[in-house]
Amino acid sequence: EVQLVESGGGLVKPGGSLRLSCAASGFSFSSYNMNWVRQAPGKGLEWVSSISRSSTHTNYADSVKGRFTISRDNAKNSLYLQMNSLRAEDTAVYYCARVSAAAGNQYGSGSYDVWGQGTTVTVSS
Amino acid sequence: EVVLTQSPATLSLSPGQRATLSCRASQSVRIYLAWYQQKLGQAPRLLIYDTSNRATGIPARFSGSGSETDFTLTISSLEPEDFATYYCQQRSDWPLTFGGGTRVEI
Repeated sequence: EVQLVESGGGLVKPGGSLRLSCAASGFSFSSYNMNWVRQAPGKGLEWVSSISRSSTHTNYADSVKGRFTISRDNAKNSLYLQMNSLRAEDTAVYYCARVSAAAGNQYGSGSYDVWGQGTTVTVSS
Repeated sequence: EVVLTQSPATLSLSPGQRATLSCRASQSVRIYLAWYQQKLGQAPRLLIYDTSNRATGIPARFSGSGSETDFTLTISSLEPEDFATYYCQQRSDWPLTFGGGTRVEI
């Protein structure tokens, strides 16, 4: 079964750090671009970051650029999001998402055919 | 940044009726527009990619059309499980962006 499972969310104070992980199974992880997408409580979806198959290309939303770092370990079938200098507006459910092989490009962009269940990040004092 | 505007915000319909959802882009996204369905407490599910291609396992009652800046998701005959929120997303340009969503309710 194709699956993505996020972990690492929690409650953190403003200015703090968290590292999210996403464990992939059931497919050849190294063959797919991967992204993080978030959803603030009661709000819509917001793209956060993209990484290409071999980590050659990464991209970030302006709202997180310079604070968040996306990475992956293809040997461990895992995707990561290191989040530093967290702000209240980073509070959201964070989803890892697989870019569809049919709807993506070599830079990591695309549409998402597999999603994790999400992990909740709450930034509050 | 490409801004995606979805309309209407809420669509009130009954099972068996046809639903027509709109997504308008602030600039051309060519054909690179996708649609997702999200139910409360669940992750989104890909329905349509690149304007009109149904994702794996998506019923034929879902169809997409459009190009450049104007796109439509049509649900030909609503089933009870179709009542949810629908988002469009463009992959034509960085940053990737989503529309604000259309809630389809009974």
